[in-house]
Amino acid sequence: GAGVSQSPSNKVTEKGKDVELRCDPISGHTALYWYRQRLGQGLEFLIYFQGNSAPDKSGLPSDRFSAERTGESVSTLTIQRTQQEDSAVYLCASAHYTSYPNTGELFFGEGSRLTVL
Amino acid sequence: KNEVEQSPQNLTAQEGEFITINCSYSVGISALHWLQQHPGGGIVSLFMLSSGKKKHGRLIATINIQEKHSSLHITASHPRDSAVYICAVTTRGISSGSARQLTFGSGTQLTVLP
Repeated sequence: GAGVSQSPSNKVTEKGKDVELRCDPISGHTALYWYRQRLGQGLEFLIYFQGNSAPDKSGLPSDRFSAERTGESVSTLTIQRTQQEDSAVYLCASAHYTSYPNTGELFFGEGSRLTVL
Repeated sequence: KNEVEQSPQNLTAQEGEFITINCSYSVGISALHWLQQHPGGGIVSLFMLSSGKKKHGRLIATINIQEKHSSLHITASHPRDSAVYICAVTTRGISSGSARQLTFGSGTQLTVLP
């Protein structure tokens, strides 16, 4: 596709349910980031994937959060047993990194707005 | 202390004014990004810098690696420039020497009045 695509754009769920959010990066982009933005707050890094390297999971807030990505394709972010504090916009960005230290421009999706009741 | 700090947090300017937003960071970085977030949440990458200076239209971004500081300048500001401007850095991650964490500043809310 032309840009980074995320789905769903909006998700309302009940406390305790599991949710899965999807990110389709730009084709060929080796790097993929998940981050979130709570209402009125700044952006918070969650996880980073780079090709087939081990992902950097240092930003995941708890073991209820997990993410997967196969190769350089789609990524899914899963939140288990959702809590009200999980309510936020979950955003995805991708980039094409060639070799360190050459870094590529970031391209952002429109985000998935999660509301936990 | 946050790893990425921006100033000011809020900035109101009159149309036509020259605007500067500053970003300081305390970690080793591979690149610094300036992002623009409009109401409604969409984020656009304005610049990616690893050294020197870049210019796109009325926007100029500079970075001083030795001083760990970057500035975003807007010349001849316009109400449509009103947005949140975010500084972000890509750093070496914890789990892998080649992984790159993305760390954000808290953003600068810019309002340009007509």
